Amino acid sequence: AQSVTQLDSQVPVFEEAPVELRCNYSSSVSVYLFWYVQYPNQGLQLLLKYLSGSTLVKGINGFEAEFNKSQTSFHLRKPSVHISDTAEYFCAVSDEWGDNQFYFGTGTSLTVIP
Amino acid sequence: DTGVSQDPRHKITKRGQNVTFRCDPISEHNRLYWYRQTLGQGPEFLTYFQNEAQLEKSRLLSDRFSAERPKGSFSTLEIQRTEQGDSAMYLCASSSSGAEQFFGPGTRLTVL
Repeated sequence: AQSVTQLDSQVPVFEEAPVELRCNYSSSVSVYLFWYVQYPNQGLQLLLKYLSGSTLVKGINGFEAEFNKSQTSFHLRKPSVHISDTAEYFCAVSDEWGDNQFYFGTGTSLTVIP
Repeated sequence: DTGVSQDPRHKITKRGQNVTFRCDPISEHNRLYWYRQTLGQGPEFLTYFQNEAQLEKSRLLSDRFSAERPKGSFSTLEIQRTEQGDSAMYLCASSSSGAEQFFGPGTRLTVL
């Protein structure tokens, strides 16, 4: 089975500063990787996904992530954050084959400070 | 395309009561997933359907939990004899390809 580790439970950052949210996974098979954002009392919204191809993936709201197979990582980055980016961020992995159930990390709470 | 919808959004119940939640997936999606999310944690997989067939249910938390998708469209998740530990957000997601899942807004359950 897969597992996901999000190394930082809370990340405070000043507005317009860059940010990186870290995600590592473990799996013995080929995987798909995702980042979701969750605002209070809402469901999950997809930020970006890696299925195949280029290891640098661009998503919505200026976010991007890089798949590093040798380090089994999929870190999320944004060069300049806004107040509206304050939210909970979840990294997820699923099998390329099979039932595609998602395994989520425990989340990183991003707080953007004015 | 109105997205995945869930009903109710909030449910408060007393311990020992039964509750049922509904999920309406995106219309052309044949896969439907249920997850549970407790405070401070990521969503945890419970079960999934491909059309009306429930292909994985070993991760349901106990025999008090059951799910159905009778016509391959909407799905229900029932919890019998609720306990305080069942308090959580219950999320539904749907997918056509299996590679990407679209999530609903969730049902927040509070068991008193």
